[in-house]
Amino acid sequence: SAVISQKPSRDICQRGTSLTIQCQVDSQVTMMFWYRQQPGQSLTLIATANQGSEATYESGFVIDKFPISRPNLTFSTLTVSNMSPEDSSIYLCSVEEGLARETQYFGPGTRLLVL
Amino acid sequence: AQSVTQLGSHVSVSEGALVLLRCNYSSSVPPYLFWYVQYPNQGLQLLLKYTTGATLVKGINGFEAEFKKSETSFHLTKPSAHMSDAAEYFCAVSPQGAQKLVFGQGTRLTINP
Repeated sequence: SAVISQKPSRDICQRGTSLTIQCQVDSQVTMMFWYRQQPGQSLTLIATANQGSEATYESGFVIDKFPISRPNLTFSTLTVSNMSPEDSSIYLCSVEEGLARETQYFGPGTRLLVL
Repeated sequence: AQSVTQLGSHVSVSEGALVLLRCNYSSSVPPYLFWYVQYPNQGLQLLLKYTTGATLVKGINGFEAEFKKSETSFHLTKPSAHMSDAAEYFCAVSPQGAQKLVFGQGTRLTINP
């Protein structure tokens, strides 16, 4: 499976600021996904990022709050804008693989604490 | 909309005992089914998956799961628990032909010595 890295691995931020999370894959992939995992909770899909087009956001997530870039087939960024303590979560990126592109593999996550 | 239910947010077993983590899904057609494991302070690791074919699927670390269409279930088992199995386990589904994953709430597995 693809090797996925994320930067930063963790951060502590002040409310009102923004943080950009990077996701790097060691092979070219069509789709990349961004998930949020709130403390003690499961994963929720934020958006799907396809290279060369605007990201597709899930209900409850908007581009102004979570702008995403996908400049090439191996890289994506997620920005968490104007942060509040409620944004404290683990943010994970994933990529799809498999014959039918049915399987997602995840990066190690970025642990964000907003004070 | 598809949904996933994991019965038991916490499961505790003794080392060497059987591990059984339950997962039921709701879907009008059989979806693709996955189990992921999350060790403390790590990302998600794929344990196993069912797409088509044999309904008993073997994964890494001695885990296996059986897809039962009539019961809309995909329970995860391991015959003998090891201390290193302590982690959070997530069941997930995606409609065939789509890439969107829907996760269950997770089950925290504790292994008692």
